[in-house]
Amino acid sequence: EAGVTQFPSHSVIEKGQTVTLRCDPISGHDNLYWYRRVMGKEIKFLLHFVKESKQDESGMPNNRFLAERTGGTYSTLKVQPAELEDSGVYFCASSQEGTGGEQFFGPGTRLTVL
Amino acid sequence: AQSVTQLGSHVSVSEGALVLLRCNYSSSVPPYLFWYVQYPNQGLQLLLKYTSAATLVKGINGFEAEFKKSETSFHLTKPSAHMSDAAEYFCAVRKRGSNYKLTFGKGTLLTVNP
Repeated sequence: EAGVTQFPSHSVIEKGQTVTLRCDPISGHDNLYWYRRVMGKEIKFLLHFVKESKQDESGMPNNRFLAERTGGTYSTLKVQPAELEDSGVYFCASSQEGTGGEQFFGPGTRLTVL
Repeated sequence: AQSVTQLGSHVSVSEGALVLLRCNYSSSVPPYLFWYVQYPNQGLQLLLKYTSAATLVKGINGFEAEFKKSETSFHLTKPSAHMSDAAEYFCAVRKRGSNYKLTFGKGTLLTVNP
């Protein structure tokens, strides 16, 4: 069974540009999470989808970040316009519904904003 | 609010020596606790989890952790380090119940010397 996949693995953009990150969860997993690790800091939660609905978006930094999960399958995270402080590794995770559901993580997308 | 403290951002051990990675948490009620490992260029992989069954939890690759409520700790140990254990380790907490976000510590980079 395929794990969580993320695309691209690396992205280097200029400040002010737009970038879209994609996450494909494990098939059948209704829960999808986005996390971010800024260099030297801890991995921080961004938001949580249950199917196509945003369950918790309390970690989204500001309105330059837009996450979608149309159809409840893959998800995209768009940053527009990107700022220097958006650089970091963006992780996606998915889990099945139910108590204690383990979150399975993707390899991450390393975003560098110059 | 929950928080996690990992003591030591970098731990170095010799091959065959004991591995001890420290994790303390802060939570109003005992949460679920997790240890994740990230090998180079890979996603986070679950090592073990505590969800209120036995306080001594055994995980993959010979790792184990003990939940100590009185000390609010969940330290990770392995009796004998192997070169392949070199990686970054993350302690995380999660609210009990259904699918909630993870709160991570800053991570501990483990180096194993021959």
